[in-house]
Amino acid sequence: DTGVSQNPRHKITKRGQNVTFRCDPISEHNRLYWYRQTLGQGPEFLTYFQNEAQLEKSRLLSDRFSAERPKGSFSTLEIQRTEQGDSAMYLCASLRGGAQETQYFGPGTRLLVL
Amino acid sequence: RKEVEQDPGPFNVPEGATVAFNCTYSNSASQSFFWYRQDCRKEPKLLMSVYSSGNEDGRFTAQLNRASQYISLLIRDSKLSDSATYLCVVRGFGNEKLTFGTGTRLTIIP
Repeated sequence: DTGVSQNPRHKITKRGQNVTFRCDPISEHNRLYWYRQTLGQGPEFLTYFQNEAQLEKSRLLSDRFSAERPKGSFSTLEIQRTEQGDSAMYLCASLRGGAQETQYFGPGTRLLVL
Repeated sequence: RKEVEQDPGPFNVPEGATVAFNCTYSNSASQSFFWYRQDCRKEPKLLMSVYSSGNEDGRFTAQLNRASQYISLLIRDSKLSDSATYLCVVRGFGNEKLTFGTGTRLTIIP
């Protein structure tokens, strides 16, 4: 257990529905990252926060995706109008600060869109 | 061309053998390099960072060749518990995100 928690761990939804995932980073970590991993692939970067500021967004993050970190602590990732191609593992990672430090990953939220 | 390329395997190796994984990266400005381990349906976990001078942690040795943009991982005296997917990971200068390879699947056979 790295200390990064994610909820829910699994989510099954029907196409067109909205879903929201939550990540609670390690408490003293000011940087938080979201990645997506599909079967047989490595994780792909989606977005990153330093405290409450969203500093970078991947082109993978379409306008159906939105992420927030309102108080610089936990973060949410919302997917609107889900599509079957959104089925993946959504991973959150955090680190304390300083580019050389290690990112610690949470257990992920596995999304299945029917 | 993918930013980080790995042979996906699978590698099926008898217990006690030595196995080596290789990885190449395309961005010469990359600054930090890692190997992560991922068990089935679990999150990636840092195995080791990779330094230009090479580094060793028990049975694991990592090497970096900046000129060839090549990273390697050597596992000696492999154990059944080493069965996992090994992810080659790169971070660019001033770039916070991690870029992962597709992973190399390793199965240690008793």
